[in-house]
Amino acid sequence: TQLLEQSPQFLSIQEGENLTVYCNSSSVFSSLQWYRQEPGEGPVLLVTVVTGGEVKKLKRLTFQFGDARKDSSLHITAAQPGDTGLYLCAGAVSGTYKYIFGTGTRLKVLA
Amino acid sequence: ETGVTQSPTHLIKTRGQQVTLRCSSQSGHNTVSWYQQALGQGPQFIFQYYREEENGRGNFPPRFSGLQFPNYSSELNVNALELDDSALYLCASSLVSGSNSPLHFGNGTRLTVT
Repeated sequence: TQLLEQSPQFLSIQEGENLTVYCNSSSVFSSLQWYRQEPGEGPVLLVTVVTGGEVKKLKRLTFQFGDARKDSSLHITAAQPGDTGLYLCAGAVSGTYKYIFGTGTRLKVLA
Repeated sequence: ETGVTQSPTHLIKTRGQQVTLRCSSQSGHNTVSWYQQALGQGPQFIFQYYREEENGRGNFPPRFSGLQFPNYSSELNVNALELDDSALYLCASSLVSGSNSPLHFGNGTRLTVT
């Protein structure tokens, strides 16, 4: 069974702090996506990483795909209250049509 | 561009009943996937439909079934509801079938089974 474990599960920080969320698996994925989900809404795609070692930046968010395509990280610089939400990583399973989602990291940024 | 819409937004059913959830995919998207998200967990893949046929399924029993229509909209049917079926059911559309295609999610249907 393929699993994606995210850490930490919960994170409460002050505005302006930096943070990193980790997404780890023993399985290889053809790509990995990060989503953010707010209460009462569906997940919204932030980024897709495909190549091992790939780094993508989206304003204050930096995403990295591990060299072996088994893990990923999301780093947020100078967090803002608007970053509050549930962050989900999702690995695309090669040769299938499904994504395996991580357990999620619930982030709260206090003003 | 119209996004993914799901109906109803909330639903309460009794154990043993049947339920149908509906999803309209984003304009131009031909593939629909359904996910179950239990409270405090990440979404779990139920199945995917492409060209009106199921072309991928997760670890869900046969009482979970679906349909895709020629306009790419979709239904999720659950028979013989159990208490553990209480969850947020998410529909996601994508442009092509296969891995690496970004998923565009609706806001879900919150199902409560009592």
